[in-house]
Amino acid sequence: ELKVEQNPLFLSMQEGKNYTIYCNYSTTSDRLYWYRQDPGKSLESLFVLLSNGAVKQEGRLMASLDTKARLSTLHITAAVHDLSATYFCAGWNSGNTPLVFGKGTRLSVIA
Amino acid sequence: EPEVTQTPSHQVTQMGQEVILRCVPISNHLYFYWYRQILGQKVEFLVSFYNNEISEKSEIFDDQFSVERPDGSNFTLKIRSTKLEDSAMYFCASSVQASGEQFFGPGTRLTVL
Repeated sequence: ELKVEQNPLFLSMQEGKNYTIYCNYSTTSDRLYWYRQDPGKSLESLFVLLSNGAVKQEGRLMASLDTKARLSTLHITAAVHDLSATYFCAGWNSGNTPLVFGKGTRLSVIA
Repeated sequence: EPEVTQTPSHQVTQMGQEVILRCVPISNHLYFYWYRQILGQKVEFLVSFYNNEISEKSEIFDDQFSVERPDGSNFTLKIRSTKLEDSAMYFCASSVQASGEQFFGPGTRLTVL
């Protein structure tokens, strides 16, 4: 059974700083997703990582996947207030159609 | 850009009442899902639906829950007799393929009093 663990669960960052959110998963995951959720809102897809070594970047966010270590990271560069949200990673494998979510990382960027 | 829509956005009900949450998936998508998120917690899978039948369901999806695709566009989640612990945000999602990216609707906030 696929399990997904994220850390940290809470992150308070100063504007302009860099930080990384980690996502570990327990068994083979054919795909790894990162979602953003603003308070009271739905899940916005950020990245889909399909293969070992995959790296994707969008603005100040960069996601990577290491299937051997069963680890994905979401790196935040020079944080700005607009990035404040909860970030979820979710794993998926072909033996199981639903996504398995981590608990989420609540990011707060402060001036 | 096509999107998943859900109605209502907020539903308040009394314990023991039946509720129906509605979703309109993206039109060319074939796989449909319901997830729920209790306030401040992670998103949990409830059920997946393909070809007019349930393909998978979680332990949460007990006999009080049912899903239906009554016509070519709507996908509904029914809770027969709501309990206080059913209070949560319920998200519908759809995908083109089982292996495809899932697109989420805006959610329905269910409050059971």
